[in-house]
Amino acid sequence: DQQVKQNSPSLSVQEGRISILNCDYTNSMFDYFLWYKKYPAEGPTFLISISSIKDKNEDGRFTVFLNKSAKHLSLHIVPSQPGDSAVYFCAASPAGGTSYGKLTFGQGTILTVHP
Amino acid sequence: DGGITQSPKYLFRKEGQNVTLSCEQNLNHDAMYWYRQDPGQGLRLIYYSQIVNDFQKGDIAEGYSVSREKKESFPLTVTSAQKNPTAFYLCASREYGYTFGSGTRLTVV
Repeated sequence: DQQVKQNSPSLSVQEGRISILNCDYTNSMFDYFLWYKKYPAEGPTFLISISSIKDKNEDGRFTVFLNKSAKHLSLHIVPSQPGDSAVYFCAASPAGGTSYGKLTFGQGTILTVHP
Repeated sequence: DGGITQSPKYLFRKEGQNVTLSCEQNLNHDAMYWYRQDPGQGLRLIYYSQIVNDFQKGDIAEGYSVSREKKESFPLTVTSAQKNPTAFYLCASREYGYTFGSGTRLTVV
């Protein structure tokens, strides 16, 4: 049962254009969402997060949007740069209890930004 | 520099052998995690520990074992009972956010 889904295995965009990566979740207990970037043979690095009390969070070129009613979030990268080419993982975490801090990851989307 | 060290980076083992992957952190984090990455499946949680001498099974714990005798260390043993051990293994620790190690690529031949 995949509780966090990234339905696009890959995305290809031109340098300077917008990259939009999507993520859907099914578990209503999730209330904190994160995006990670990962290069081959390295650990993921944190990009940006959003709490369920917000619908948008922005950090430089990266913006995450959350639609709680649709259980959907997206990561926008504007403008896209060749160095953004990597695997992007969406992750979700419940608020508290014994599962506090446990992250459930999506399958990942490979982003390729062409010069 | 504070961080998480996973060793070795690449590991080869014969089928049927147990193997232990090392994870050490100097961040003074209480919580530590082990994830497995397979192509097209994202990162799946194997085991996690919220505090020394305590750990819980994650989503895919079968065939794995862990220990948490020290705050800094959270080794993962891949036993011969794990049916598909070849994968990329990631260790992480958490205080307010997650910090990941650089991973160990285990290949069973």
